[in-house]
Amino acid sequence: GENVEQHPSTLSVQEGDSAVIKCTYSDSASNYFPWYKQELGKGPQLIIDIRSNVGEKKDQRIAVTLNKTAKHFSLHITETQPEDSAVYFCAAARNRLAFGKGNQVVVIP
Amino acid sequence: GAGVSQSPSNKVTEKGKDVELRCDPISGHTALYWYRQSLGQGLEFLIYFQGNSAPDKSGLPSDRFSAERTGGSVSTLTIQRTQQEDSAVYLCASSLGTGVDGYTFGSGTRLTVV
Repeated sequence: GENVEQHPSTLSVQEGDSAVIKCTYSDSASNYFPWYKQELGKGPQLIIDIRSNVGEKKDQRIAVTLNKTAKHFSLHITETQPEDSAVYFCAAARNRLAFGKGNQVVVIP
Repeated sequence: GAGVSQSPSNKVTEKGKDVELRCDPISGHTALYWYRQSLGQGLEFLIYFQGNSAPDKSGLPSDRFSAERTGGSVSTLTIQRTQQEDSAVYLCASSLGTGVDGYTFGSGTRLTVV
């Protein structure tokens, strides 16, 4: 089955700087790649997703890039703010989502 | 409802007791998923429903765990003879199920076995 790995496990950034989280996947047939944000005490919430027919998607301060050849995709957060502090999960799917182990992002004011 | 609803939000139970966790998915979502999240850990897949059928139960950790879904809607996850290692947040998610798309998660049930 699909195996998704996520790096780094923890990321600290100064407020206003950019944060980048990278994920790799194993199944070349995967065609859907969402990112979830989980705040303390809440369930994960979908923040952005990308399908395999595009290489990049942007929504305000967040963007996702996909490299199908290398089988990796990344989440980019620009102009980070304290409310961006959370755990971020990537996932990949052909039929059913396989999740990475999560990345703790800490934005330092 | 507007989102995925889980109840109870918190449950404390004594070791050896049975517990039932409930998930009410978004109306019209045919696919339903249960995950377990231990403290500071990732999402551990438990079981997947398509309608009332469970084509993938591969993540259930032992025969003490079972789940059912009736009417293509509400699902119940039952843990029998709870153990301390069952303490975790149990998350439910649903999706349209017509293709690959994003899941909508509930807020979870925090289970503590004492």
